[in-house]
Amino acid sequence: KNEVEQSPQNLTAQEGEFITINCSYSVGISALHWLQQHPGGGIVSLFMLSSGKKKHGRLIATINIQEKHSSLHITASHPRDSAVYICAVWRMEYGNKLVFGAGTILRVKS
Amino acid sequence: GAVVSQHPSRVICKSGTSVKIECRSLDFQATTMFWYRQFPKKSLMLMATSNEGSKATYEQGVEKDKFLINHASLTLSTLTVTSAHPEDSSFYICSASWGPNTEAFFGQGTRLTVV
Repeated sequence: KNEVEQSPQNLTAQEGEFITINCSYSVGISALHWLQQHPGGGIVSLFMLSSGKKKHGRLIATINIQEKHSSLHITASHPRDSAVYICAVWRMEYGNKLVFGAGTILRVKS
Repeated sequence: GAVVSQHPSRVICKSGTSVKIECRSLDFQATTMFWYRQFPKKSLMLMATSNEGSKATYEQGVEKDKFLINHASLTLSTLTVTSAHPEDSSFYICSASWGPNTEAFFGQGTRLTVV
């Protein structure tokens, strides 16, 4: 079993829909990243959080440390949000390595 | 967020030659830089961790003599693929952070094709 599991693997949404991507992890972590990778390959860090909730524009990330679960929400989705969304955690034991989920492929249709 | 610049974005080289990829943190000092390899439709695979001024720490199964990493300053790390072979063709991406458990910022990636 992977230490970081994401769901769904693939997601197709209609423009304007509210989107949720989930991430569960099975190890102790110090922080969690949500990353966005566009078809060109470059990766953008959307959020790093260790507790509570963060919001940036139409993106919201939450984390529940006790339940070892995080969610990324996209409100009023747009075709330009189409990308791969990756959850990654800083493992406590490793200290300085990110462990990645497999990613969620999001396609937003107009 | 902070900016990490990776160069080149694409490179094609002949088998047997060496290729150098640069990763620069433009607006912060990166104590630690990471080099990843990504296969099609797969997640990132950590190759090595480099700390400024010290030798890189390679992950199991990564040949340190083939993938030479140098982190000579707090803003620059380089990955050199030596004696490249077609199986080295892949997408390589770096990331940089201030230190352990701090936010990681990623380069644009380098698509390497060995012919």
